[in-house]
Amino acid sequence: EAGVVQSPRYKIIEKKQPVAFWCNPISGHNTLYWYLQNLGQGPELLIRYENEEAVDDSQLPKDRFSAERLKGVDSTLKIQPAELGDSAVYLCASSLGDSQGTQYFGPGTRLTVL
Amino acid sequence: DQQVKQNSPSLSVQEGRISILNCDYTNSMFDYFLWYKKYPAEGPTFLISISSIKDKNEDGRFTVFLNKSAKHLSLHIVPSQPGDSAVYFCAAREEAQKLVFGQGTRLTINP
Repeated sequence: EAGVVQSPRYKIIEKKQPVAFWCNPISGHNTLYWYLQNLGQGPELLIRYENEEAVDDSQLPKDRFSAERLKGVDSTLKIQPAELGDSAVYLCASSLGDSQGTQYFGPGTRLTVL
Repeated sequence: DQQVKQNSPSLSVQEGRISILNCDYTNSMFDYFLWYKKYPAEGPTFLISISSIKDKNEDGRFTVFLNKSAKHLSLHIVPSQPGDSAVYFCAAREEAQKLVFGQGTRLTINP
């Protein structure tokens, strides 16, 4: 079974430029998450989707970050404009949404903002 | 306010010996606890979990212990192998699928 797929794996951009990350969850997983991981820290939730509905976006900086999950499968996370402090790893995860709620992570996108 | 804390940034253990990774939490409403393992340039991989109604869960070389009164859990790996060298994250489920992660502990297994 294929795992969570993310692209690109690495991205380097100048500050104030836009950037987008793509995620394809495990087939059949209705719940999708975007996390931010800074160096030396654990992942921090940005947004959670149940199918195509964003059910928790309280930690998403909405002035510059946006996300969508059209058709309840793939998802895109966008930053516009990027700032130096956005340099981090952006992780996507998915789960069945069952009682145990184990989340399965993709390899992440490492963003560097210059 | 860090609800899940891993106070040891790193741990070094001899191959074949026991590795013990610790995690403390503050929120008594957490109902599930999970351990994830992360290799460089990869995403975290689920390792083992425990429900808050249990005090121990075992899976092969990995055992997780939960002490609710102390709000403390630990992951035991025995015997430790070189392939266990990775960063280990403790996570706690707060509500409806939301996980809160600790900062991670880098485990190094020495031959």
